[in-house]
Amino acid sequence: ETGVTQTPRHLVMGMTNKKSLKCEQHLGHNAMYWYKQSAKKPLELMFVYNFKEQTENNSVPSRFSPECPNSSHLFLHLHTLQPEDSALYLCASSPDQSTGELFFGEGSRLTVL
Amino acid sequence: GIQVEQSPPDLILQEGANSTLRCNFSDSVNNLQWFHQNPWGQLINLFYIPSGTKQNGRLSATTVATERYSLLYISSSQTTDSGVYFCAVEDNQAGTALIFGKGTTLSVSS
Repeated sequence: ETGVTQTPRHLVMGMTNKKSLKCEQHLGHNAMYWYKQSAKKPLELMFVYNFKEQTENNSVPSRFSPECPNSSHLFLHLHTLQPEDSALYLCASSPDQSTGELFFGEGSRLTVL
Repeated sequence: GIQVEQSPPDLILQEGANSTLRCNFSDSVNNLQWFHQNPWGQLINLFYIPSGTKQNGRLSATTVATERYSLLYISSSQTTDSGVYFCAVEDNQAGTALIFGKGTTLSVSS
């Protein structure tokens, strides 16, 4: 238990579906992150939120839409995804964006059919 | 942007052996972390070590920031040490997030 919880752990969706990934952290941190891990590739940063404000969008396609309603919750809304978007999506948090260790959730494994 | 290279890419050990994993980075860093990704995908923090040496049980890490490398030592390896070890760095530019290397895949057999 790292203090960062992701749901669902596994998700299968069609290309026309709309779904959301949820991340919740119980560490009192102010920065939250989405990373994507595809097979045979290093982890790729997608989005960063610091004190609920988006501070980084790493050229992510608009079919991925993040939402951070407060410092403890982070969502990734998914719509009209492609099969190549199948990957492990990892949420992380840190005390704030400029300092401190990163703590990861267990990941949401997404399969797009 | 900053480049992170890990070596070796793959490592196979017998239980009880020692190993050293290396992480080279191309620029000055504010932050360096080592993670272990278990077979279920979770990334477990091992060390937060932008400089100096730390030890935690059979694991230790050393970062020589001036020479832009970090080493992770695993002693008396166990089968549960298997998985992928990642080095991640945050460069000196304020406000950037961690950038990950490609990892070292470790397989420990009994």
